[in-house]
Amino acid sequence: GENVEQHPSTLSVQEGDSAVIKCTYSDSASNYFPWYKQELGKRPQLIIDIRSNVGEKKDQRIAVTLNKTAKHFSLHITETQPEDSAVYFCAASMDKVIFGPGTSLSVIP
Amino acid sequence: EAGVAQSPRYKIIEKRQSVAFWCNPISGHATLYWYQQILGQGPKLLIQFQNNGVVDDSQLPKDRFSAERLKGVDSTLKIQPAKLEDSAVYLCASSLGLADYEQYFGPGTRLTVT
Repeated sequence: GENVEQHPSTLSVQEGDSAVIKCTYSDSASNYFPWYKQELGKRPQLIIDIRSNVGEKKDQRIAVTLNKTAKHFSLHITETQPEDSAVYFCAASMDKVIFGPGTSLSVIP
Repeated sequence: EAGVAQSPRYKIIEKRQSVAFWCNPISGHATLYWYQQILGQGPKLLIQFQNNGVVDDSQLPKDRFSAERLKGVDSTLKIQPAKLEDSAVYLCASSLGLADYEQYFGPGTRLTVT
């Protein structure tokens, strides 16, 4: 079945710097790749998603890139702010969604 | 619109006891998911419903876990008997359709098994 790996597991950046989180997936049939943000004690919330027919998508300070050949996709956050501190989960989906293990991002003021 | 509702929010039980969780998805959402999230890990899909039919339950420990979706709306997840390793947050989510739609998560039920 599908397996999703995510790196790094923890990431610490200075406020204003960029953060990059990378994920790889195993099932080449996966066609939908969402990213969720989970703040401490709260529910996961979708922040951006990309479908397999698109290579890149951007929404303000957040962007996602997809390389289907290499089966990896990445989340890019620019101009990080303290409120970006959270756990970020990537996921890959064809008929069901498989989540990665998460990246704990800390933005230091 | 109202979000996904779950109850109870917290539950503490002893091992070998039984427990049930309830979820009410967003109105009109055909797909409902139950996830188990152990502290420090990503959500693990337990079961996925499309209306009142099961789409995937490959990771549901069927010897102790069961789930149903009544009339294609509300859903219950039951554990009987509970084990210590079942301690986790149980998240319910719903979406308009299968897999490639945004999932909306409920607040979760934090289960502690002692």
